[in-house]
Amino acid sequence: EVQLVESGGGLVQPGGSLRLSCAASGFIFSTYAMTWVRQAPGKGLEWVAAISNVPGSMYYADSVKGRFTISRDNSMNTLYLQMSSLRAEDTALYYCVKHPLYCTTTPCYDWWGQGTLVTVSS
Amino acid sequence: QSVVTQPPSVSGAPGQTVTISCTGTNSNIGAGYDVQWYQQLPGTAPKPLIYGNNNRPSGVPDRFSGSKSGTSASLAITGLQAEDEADYYCQSYDNSLSAVVFGGGTKLTVL
Repeated sequence: EVQLVESGGGLVQPGGSLRLSCAASGFIFSTYAMTWVRQAPGKGLEWVAAISNVPGSMYYADSVKGRFTISRDNSMNTLYLQMSSLRAEDTALYYCVKHPLYCTTTPCYDWWGQGTLVTVSS
Repeated sequence: QSVVTQPPSVSGAPGQTVTISCTGTNSNIGAGYDVQWYQQLPGTAPKPLIYGNNNRPSGVPDRFSGSKSGTSASLAITGLQAEDEADYYCQSYDNSLSAVVFGGGTKLTVL
């Protein structure tokens, strides 16, 4: 079965950095695009960043562009999100999300991890 | 403020039918992008319910159905059950933002 296990969250001061990881198993990781979605406490879902199956195409929400970097290591079956210049409004549960192959015209998601919590506070 | 709008809450009694709307614009749903729906039970990660406007992933009961027309989409839940009480999110793509967009979410209460 597909498993997505996020790690790396924690408490960080404003302006600080953090790297999130997502260990993937149960599928051929290098075949699928991947995404990070976040959810602030008590709020809705917000798309953060996406990366194609073979690293080369990365996409970012305006709210994180220039501060966050999505990457992947297909040999390690791991997705990353490097976050810098963190702000209080980046506080959220960060989900690692897998794309299926059948959504070809509009991104969609078929498996979600349980999330890792990032808290930005002094 | 999301560019795709959902009602904050809906409710219904067991056995009834409820619909949740997802209203977009000509840069997202109206531009021909598909709509997906996700269910988030309390304290859990979202789970896919509908993809490609009206397709159910395997394992999703046929009580859940989706439709799309113009700049809007809808999720219908028939034969409402207590276990359906959750938050529901629609999702599409916006070409003016060049971004995936989620609706603000709708809390379903089963009375």
